[in-house]
Amino acid sequence: QSALTQPASVSGSPGQSITISCTGTSSDVGSYNLVSWYQQHPGKAPKLMIYEVSKRPSGVSNRFSGSKSGNTASLTISGLQAEDEADYYCCSYAGSSTSYVVFGGGTKLTVL
Amino acid sequence: QVQLQESGPGLVKPSETLSLTCTVSGGSISSYYWSWIRQPPGKGLEWIGYIYYSGSTNYNPSLKSRVTISVDTSKNQFSLKLSSVTAADTAVYYCARGMVHMDVWGKGTTVTVSS
Repeated sequence: QSALTQPASVSGSPGQSITISCTGTSSDVGSYNLVSWYQQHPGKAPKLMIYEVSKRPSGVSNRFSGSKSGNTASLTISGLQAEDEADYYCCSYAGSSTSYVVFGGGTKLTVL
Repeated sequence: QVQLQESGPGLVKPSETLSLTCTVSGGSISSYYWSWIRQPPGKGLEWIGYIYYSGSTNYNPSLKSRVTISVDTSKNQFSLKLSSVTAADTAVYYCARGMVHMDVWGKGTTVTVSS
């Protein structure tokens, strides 16, 4: 079981859009629409932003969207705001035979 | 509104067993998966394992030999035990509702492994 691959950091200016990728394998991201994304501010617990690839929980801004193509899932944040600066983690179900869960290594988003 | 609260010792000696409890308030523990996740200082999230309210479990293979997660539906609690701890187990430990889709999280509790 290996961690999903995310870029260590991304950055953007206020108002711009950014995309964070999350690359897995055909055993996890590629096989199941069970990918979620979490936002974590320093010293705080993670917050669910996207589940089942592209669904938004109630209360999460529609500036956040998710998608998937093959073994790679993506989180897009449009209209960047200062409060979006945080760490973002993807998470995937990892196999019907094992039923494991795996996180990505995390991406630090900096709003310039 | 469902809330989760982790509790347990903040300091554990090397080779001993780390024990944490997550208390669920504002809702029932029934009909959900419940997870434990940890985050070493300055590092990313690591999945430890989950339990269904009925008691079925699944653990991270890298921790499987040392981890036990249990549930007490009468107390609306679930627990984590991690045996033979070392300094590498020093982390913030979170409990959460769900398996991949974890929609409610506790605030986390810091556990330090040191003599």
